[in-house]
Amino acid sequence: GQQLNQSPQSMFIQEGEDVSMNCTSSSIFNTWLWYKQDPGEGPVLLIALYKAGELTSNGRLTAQFGITRKDSFLNISASIPSDVGIYFCAGGISGTYKYIFGTGTRLKVLA
Amino acid sequence: GAGVSQSPSNKVTEKGKDVELRCDPISGHTALYWYRQRLGQGLEFLIYFQGNSAPDKSGLPSDRFSAERTGESVSTLTIQRTQQEDSAVYLCASSVSSGARVAKNIQYFGAGTRLSVL
Repeated sequence: GQQLNQSPQSMFIQEGEDVSMNCTSSSIFNTWLWYKQDPGEGPVLLIALYKAGELTSNGRLTAQFGITRKDSFLNISASIPSDVGIYFCAGGISGTYKYIFGTGTRLKVLA
Repeated sequence: GAGVSQSPSNKVTEKGKDVELRCDPISGHTALYWYRQRLGQGLEFLIYFQGNSAPDKSGLPSDRFSAERTGESVSTLTIQRTQQEDSAVYLCASSVSSGARVAKNIQYFGAGTRLSVL
């Protein structure tokens, strides 16, 4: 099935460092969501974006809805060990409730 | 319950057998989704139900896969004559259809059913 391109695929960072990841598509979306998945669990919503150019924060997390509506970015500041997990973006298709998910970014934080 | 509930949490089956996976969405959520997640990969859309509308089955990989949902309640994903490549985690999500912007289109996921086909 269709999946969006996420980069990087994986990251190893030191605790306290900032993290950036992005999601790109050839299609336009009207909603972007960012999820985190821990091992053995379902994805949990982090941030939802509804408008091109929108910048939204949730604690140490900041996400942006790209101005072209074809991409989105997630930044994590001052990473901590519990940030470990897989981060997924999801683009929402206009006029439907259907989402296309990214391939995921696997984050590992070294204490 | 408060969240999306899926059962069983783990299922081991022999190749060629049929399996049924169950999803209980959040009460009041009109939309329900099924995804497949192969080991180390992202979420692959399978099917979604929206109220009483015809389901979008465009993601089902073959005619061995089918899903049903009665009204706005429980959904069952059935895989017939399972193959080893069907081994994956099957995730269910639900969302509320609402005029409230913050709640619109946001999917809440269950913990998934891990299917292993031997």
